Order: sequence, then C-alpha cells, then structure tokens
Amino acid sequence: EAGVVQSPRYKIIEKKQPVAFWCNPISGHNTLYWYLQNLGQGPELLIRYENEEAVDDSQLPKDRFSAERLKGVDSTLKIQPAELGDSAVYLCASSIQGGTEAFFGQGTRLTVV
Amino acid sequence: QKEVEQNSGPLSVPEGAIASLNCTYSDRGSQSFFWYRQYSGKSPELIMFIYSNGDKEDGRFTAQLNKASQYVSLLIRDSQPSDSATYLCALHGSSNTGKLIFGQGTTLQVKP
Repeated sequence: EAGVVQSPRYKIIEKKQPVAFWCNPISGHNTLYWYLQNLGQGPELLIRYENEEAVDDSQLPKDRFSAERLKGVDSTLKIQPAELGDSAVYLCASSIQGGTEAFFGQGTRLTVV
Repeated sequence: QKEVEQNSGPLSVPEGAIASLNCTYSDRGSQSFFWYRQYSGKSPELIMFIYSNGDKEDGRFTAQLNKASQYVSLLIRDSQPSDSATYLCALHGSSNTGKLIFGQGTTLQVKP
C-alpha cells in the first residue's frame, strides 16, 4: 500500500514569490493534515481536513497561506507571497479519521531566499 | 504552559541499555497518545500508540500512560545505535479530538 505522497521534495524560491505543495493521502483516509516543522521543533498544525471540509484552520496564516482539498482526496497548500520566515519543512499526514493514528509523507523542504 | 512538553535532550545511553523518554501534557481530557520517531532529515514515523492507562509493549518498545499524572513515557530496551533519532510525543486533545498536537521532541543518542 502506498503511503502519503508529497511533492516536490525540495523547493527553493525567492521571497515574495508564490509556491505550492501537493499531497496525496493514503487511500481511504478521510482526515488530512498539513503541518509545518521548523528545525529542532515538533510539527505544528496548519490545517486539518475531514474529507473536503477544513475543520481546523485556526493556525493557518490566512493572509498568505491557503489550502484546498476539493474532492476530499488530494490537497494543495499554497503560500503567496512567501517570506524568509516561511523556510521550513511542510509535512502532510493522513488518518482514517480524526483521533486515530496519523501517517506522514516525506515532506517538502522549502527554502526562501 | 505548553500543551505537550518533552526534554529536548540529547539523551545519551550506551548500546544495550534502556532508554527512557518522557512526556507530560496539560490537557487532562486528552485521550490518545502517540510516539513518533524522526531520523534526521526524514519525516516522523509512528512507532507506538496508547489509549488506556498502563503499559503497552511492542517488541523492544514499551509505552506507559498515566492519565492521573498526565504523563506518557516510552521505554526502549536493548537500545541500538539505529535507535538514535528524535522521538516526538503527540496526543489528541479533548477539545478537538482530531487535532494532533506534538511536543518538541527528545533527541536520543545510542553510543556503541
């Protein structure tokens, strides 16, 4: 069974440019999470989806970040415009439903220069 | 107070010893608890979960949960150099059972 797939694995962009990340969760997993992880820190939740509904986006900086999960499967996370402080690893995870074990993708390492 | 607290370490143990990793949490109503292992430059990998008070064993790993003391631990027996990684404690809080909250992680170094 394929795990959570993310792309790209690495991205380097100049500040003020837009960037998008893509995530394909494990088949049958209704819950999808986007996390941000800074060096030496634990992952911090940006947004959580139950199917196509964003049920927790309280930590998403909505002035520059947006996310969608139109058909309740794949999801994209966008930053526009990117800032230097956005440099981090962006992790996608999925679980069968909220409250159960979550499995992570390999992450996208973003560097903003 | 952070929702999930871990000592960042590093925790250094000799090969073959027992490594004990600890985690405390502030939300008394938290229900589900998870331990993830993260190698440097890699994504978190789920290694254990525990829902009930007491011990849960899986191979060399034992998770311990004490809800009264708001304490979760992970014991690694017969530690190997390949166990060297950061161990992340995570939980689902009571107010929103779908939100997975992480501690900052404890770095474990197992020395040959």
